[in-house]
Amino acid sequence: KQEVTQIPAALSVPEGENLVLNCSFTDSAIYNLQWFRQDPGKGLTSLLLIQSSQREQTSGRLNASLDKSSGRSTLYIAASQPGDSATYLCAVTRYNKLIFGAGTRLAVHP
Amino acid sequence: NAGVTQTPKFRVLKTGQSMTLLCAQDMNHEYMYWYRQDPGMGLRLIHYSVGEGTTAKGEVPDGYNVSRLKKQNFLLGLESAAPSQTSVYFCASRPTGRDEQFFGPGTRLTVL
Repeated sequence: KQEVTQIPAALSVPEGENLVLNCSFTDSAIYNLQWFRQDPGKGLTSLLLIQSSQREQTSGRLNASLDKSSGRSTLYIAASQPGDSATYLCAVTRYNKLIFGAGTRLAVHP
Repeated sequence: NAGVTQTPKFRVLKTGQSMTLLCAQDMNHEYMYWYRQDPGMGLRLIHYSVGEGTTAKGEVPDGYNVSRLKKQNFLLGLESAAPSQTSVYFCASRPTGRDEQFFGPGTRLTVL
């Protein structure tokens, strides 16, 4: 059974810091991996999607990497801002279904 | 486009009551999904649909039923609500040929 784990569960950093969020999965037979952002009381917004054949994707200050063989993905956020405060979820796709991690709750303080 | 909308936004039920959550999308997407999110856990798939008139079970289907009579709507029903069904419910949709799912804002359900 595929399990997705995110570490740390919560993170608090000062503004301007570069940070890394981690996601691991137990079964490397995935179709793709996605990173989402969730603001309190809101739905999920897709940030980056990495196909299983890709190693990384970039969007602005965000960079996500994928290492299928080790079952790991990282989300790198450069020069963090208070507006980045949210919960970040990773999810792997297998058989047309998303399997989510529990998320990392990020707080960026001025 | 409104995207994915969910009705209602909040609801409080008593144990044993029934209700239906409505998900609507105006993007002509084939696939639709219902998830629940509990504190400290990721989203878990309840049921999903690969097209109008089709439904399939996800990871946690017990206690829920669904219907997809129209392509744009996906209904989630609770026949006899239980406190264990207190959760935030999210609906999502995606088009054929694309991997990205588009999520609604969620429905917060409390069962007393």
